[in-house]
Amino acid sequence: AQSVTQPDIHITVSEGASLELRCNYSYGATPYLFWYVQSPGQGLQLLLKYFSGDTLVQGIKGFEAEFKRSQSSFNLRKPSVHWSDAAEYFCAVGSNDYKLSFGAGTTVTVRA
Amino acid sequence: NAGVTQTPKFQVLKTGQSMTLQCAQDMNHEYMSWYRQDPGMGLRLIHYSVGAGITDQGEVPNGYNVSRSTTEDFPLRLLSAAPSQTSVYFCASSNSGTEQFFGPGTRLTVL
Repeated sequence: AQSVTQPDIHITVSEGASLELRCNYSYGATPYLFWYVQSPGQGLQLLLKYFSGDTLVQGIKGFEAEFKRSQSSFNLRKPSVHWSDAAEYFCAVGSNDYKLSFGAGTTVTVRA
Repeated sequence: NAGVTQTPKFQVLKTGQSMTLQCAQDMNHEYMSWYRQDPGMGLRLIHYSVGAGITDQGEVPNGYNVSRSTTEDFPLRLLSAAPSQTSVYFCASSNSGTEQFFGPGTRLTVL
């Protein structure tokens, strides 16, 4: 069975500081991996995805993630956060695009 | 393109009532899915469909029915609502190799 763990429930970061969100997954084969962002009261927006190939993936809004098979991880990073990055972030894993398992989410607060 | 649309946005039901959450997409996507989102639990897959006439159960299917008579529509039916079904429901669609596009959600409260 596939599963995702996001160890950090809540992270607070200063505006302009770097951000790293952790994601560990359990999956038997090569997974499809995703990071989504959800602003309050909104739906989910895809930040980036990994299917195969280069293990460093670039996404929208200046985010990137690195797939590390040996550590079963897919951590999300941003070098310098903006106040608009305050949101909830979800990591997801699946064997395809339509049957995903999501982590519990990490809420990011950005302080001025 | 409207993308993925969901109706209603909000709904309050009494225990035992039935209702249908509507989901439609205009992107000609093959795959459609229903998730529920609960605090601290992320999104959990309820049912999914890989094409018209084909549906299957996800992680938490009990208490919900789906059908897919057209490519565009994928309604979710609650047969007899229970307080445990209070949640935010998201519909999503995709094609193979693409991202899942999520609708804006339906916030359901069961009293």
